[in-house]
Amino acid sequence: DGGITQSPKYLFRKEGQNVTLSCEQNLNHDAMYWYRQDPGQGLRLIYYSQIVNDFQKGDIAEGYSVSREKKESFPLTVTSAQKNPTAFYLCASSVTGGSNQPQHFGDGTRLSIL
Amino acid sequence: GEDVEQSLFLSVREGDSSVINCTYTDSSSTYLYWYKQEPGAGLQLLTYIFSNMDMKQDQRLTVLLNKKDKHLSLRIADTQTGDSAIYFCAEIIPGSARQLTFGSGTQLTVLP
Repeated sequence: DGGITQSPKYLFRKEGQNVTLSCEQNLNHDAMYWYRQDPGQGLRLIYYSQIVNDFQKGDIAEGYSVSREKKESFPLTVTSAQKNPTAFYLCASSVTGGSNQPQHFGDGTRLSIL
Repeated sequence: GEDVEQSLFLSVREGDSSVINCTYTDSSSTYLYWYKQEPGAGLQLLTYIFSNMDMKQDQRLTVLLNKKDKHLSLRIADTQTGDSAIYFCAEIIPGSARQLTFGSGTQLTVLP
């Protein structure tokens, strides 16, 4: 089945540690996105990528980094500079960045601080 | 500017109809989407409507669009306990690489 796979489902971070969240899609989509969701709030865009080897900052990129070396993969690193990383992280993809095609979402990764 | 607004909470009795409302500000929006999020899960695309349509029906779901007032609604007929979730509306701005702007979500609680 085609879809988006996020791993791990739960992740714990120690103070001063970088952690990387995985997002893989086999939908052959060009565009991929990372969102952060806090309790009782909507989705805020962290980073997005329209094509391999290219990505742009979203609304809350500080303390995060991404790479897009392969079409199917868009990992997100939460760095130690992100002082409040506890949240639910959602990855999504769409056919292209400027199209009318909807975004498809993974099941999310919940990140907590130890 | 880009802004999508929704009320935060809605409670209905099982078997009643639910109506979730959304307002948006960008008149150039082409598609408007409704997503459903169950606890601890990602977002599931429920339905969408193209901006030149007034209404779209899909089984128990009816989407109404008032483009003049920039108002979108999702009606769920015969609401069931399995419909309890957060519902997000989202708009597409043509040519925008970031593509979707989401509302804050409406928590629907279905009471027995």
